[in-house]
Amino acid sequence: GENVEQHPSTLSVQEGDSAVIKCTYSDSASNYFPWYKQELGKRPQLIIDIRSNVGEKKDQRIAVTLNKTAKHFSLHITETQPEDSAVYFCAARRPSGGGADGLTFGKGTHLIIQP
Amino acid sequence: DTEVTQTPKHLVMGMTNKKSLKCEQHMGHRAMYWYKQKAKKPPELMFVYSYEKLSINESVPSRFSPECPNSSLLNLHLHALQPEDSALYLCASSQAEGAQYFGPGTRLLVL
Repeated sequence: GENVEQHPSTLSVQEGDSAVIKCTYSDSASNYFPWYKQELGKRPQLIIDIRSNVGEKKDQRIAVTLNKTAKHFSLHITETQPEDSAVYFCAARRPSGGGADGLTFGKGTHLIIQP
Repeated sequence: DTEVTQTPKHLVMGMTNKKSLKCEQHMGHRAMYWYKQKAKKPPELMFVYSYEKLSINESVPSRFSPECPNSSLLNLHLHALQPEDSALYLCASSQAEGAQYFGPGTRLLVL
């Protein structure tokens, strides 16, 4: 099955600086890579996603890059704000041909924004 | 309605009890999912339903029994659970190969 590695496990940055979280996946058949933000006691919230036919996607302060050859994708957050503090999960989906497939998640990164 | 809802929010049950978790979405999504999340861990896939049929079972013990009565509803029936089954149970929905949106979860404690 798919295996997703995520680094770092904890990331502390100064408010206004950029944060980068990196993930690698094992199955070259995986074709969809979402990122979720989960605040304490809340549901995972989809913040951005990318499909395997795209190399980069941006939404305001958030961007995701994908390197299919290296099986590596990253989340970039610029101009960080206190409300960005949360646990961030990367995930990968490997199509099984059945039309709907579950996600395999990385272990998460606890992002701390220092004021 | 653009949300996935789950009931109850919290559930405490004994090891001999039978209970059910409920999930509902009205976004027209035809795929629904159950995930289990332990504290400080990522969500782990349990079941996938596609067009109301079970398409993936991630080798989940039979004490967890999913049911999809219609395209908007997903249930998880619980029986004879163990204390290690205590966790946050998350429901999600999506279009077939689209983004998955999670409900708020049911926090389950098995005594």
